[in-house]
Parts: sequence; C-alpha cells; structure tokens
Amino acid sequence: AQSVAQPEDQVNVAEGNPLTVKCTYSVSGNPYLFWYVQYPNRGLQFLLKYITGDNLVKGSYGFEAEFNKSQTSFHLKKPSALVSDSALYFCAVRPRTGANNLFFGTGTRLTVIP
Amino acid sequence: DGGITQSPKYLFRKEGQNVTLSCEQNLNHDAMYWYRQDPGQGLRLIYYSQIVNDFQKGDIAEGYSVSREKKESFPLTVTSAQKNPTAFYLCASSIDLGGLAKNIQYFGAGTRLSVL
Repeated sequence: AQSVAQPEDQVNVAEGNPLTVKCTYSVSGNPYLFWYVQYPNRGLQFLLKYITGDNLVKGSYGFEAEFNKSQTSFHLKKPSALVSDSALYFCAVRPRTGANNLFFGTGTRLTVIP
Repeated sequence: DGGITQSPKYLFRKEGQNVTLSCEQNLNHDAMYWYRQDPGQGLRLIYYSQIVNDFQKGDIAEGYSVSREKKESFPLTVTSAQKNPTAFYLCASSIDLGGLAKNIQYFGAGTRLSVL
C-alpha cells in the first residue's frame, strides 16, 4: 500500500536555528515528491517538489528538501528558522504511474520560538 | 490561494440535510479535486475530475457527490448519508492529471463544515 509518514506531529525550534521536518514514503517506483505548508484556516501552499535530478531541491521562502532514494526520505530543511515559518507542513507523494492523486502525510506542526 | 475560490468559508448542516460546497477556478486547469482534512489525519481524497462531465471516486467518496458541468466549477455535495461530515474541506486544481503527474496542485482557502 502507498503511504507517507511524517513521524513527528510537532517540531519546536528556536528562531535562527536550523530546522528539519521529516518525511518518509512507501510508494512503488520513483514517485514525485512535494512539500506544502498550511497556515491556520487556509488552504495548502506549494513549497517545493522533486521530479528528477539533483537530490537537493530549493523552494519558496528559503526552504529546501533533500531526496534520499535509499532511505526513501524527503526531509524539509531551512538553515535559519523564522517565527513566521510556524505552520503545518505536509509531505505528499505522487506515483509516476498508476494512481492519479497525491498521497499526503498526516502533517507536522512547526513552532518557531522567538 | 491563487485562482481557486471556495464558498462559503463556514457552513452548518442540520441532521438529514444535504449541503453543497462551491469550488470555482479561473486557472484554466483541467483537473480538480476535493479533499477532506481531519485533525491528525492529513488530507484524504474524496473525488477528482480530469475533464468536464467526468469524475472519479477517491478514497472516501461514500456520502458525497460531485458534478463537473463546467471546466471552472466542481461543486461537492455532502449528503445526509455522510454520518460524520464535520471537517475542513479543501478544493484543488492542477493543469493536467494524465501523464503530467508532476504538476502542482493549487488549493482554495477551504470550507469548514460543522453539524448543528
């Protein structure tokens, strides 16, 4: 079965420190990988995606993500956290063949402490 | 939230009542989706549509119905058969569903449905 795991429901980090939000997946083949962010009572906003090529993907607002094929992971990172980064982050995967929809993780709430 | 408009922002449903959530997009996207978001469960796909007059069930379609009479509109009806409708509902669209699976989905701001 296809699945996406975000092992941490909550991540707290001090402002200015690096942050990591973890994501692992169990999807057949080499899926497309995405990160989305959700602010309170809002829809999801696209941050970045991995399709092919360089394992380090750079996205919006200074975020980046590292694809690791052997570990089937796609962790979201940022070198220096801002208070405004506090939000709910979702990892999502989409198989290259077969299923036509995104599979979402359960979300990780990031809190950046001033 | 791009060019996707969901309305209303908040909706209340009485027992035995059907309610319809609106989703309109002006992005000229072919594919549209409805997701349900519950705390701690991420997003789950209810229905999706690749083209006008065509739609497919997602993972949790029971108790819901949709229509796609126009490219820009994909309304979702929560029927009385849906026994636990309280959730945050998100509509999304993407340029193409078929072979271009890598395309990004753009989301509306959501509708929060509660049962009276």
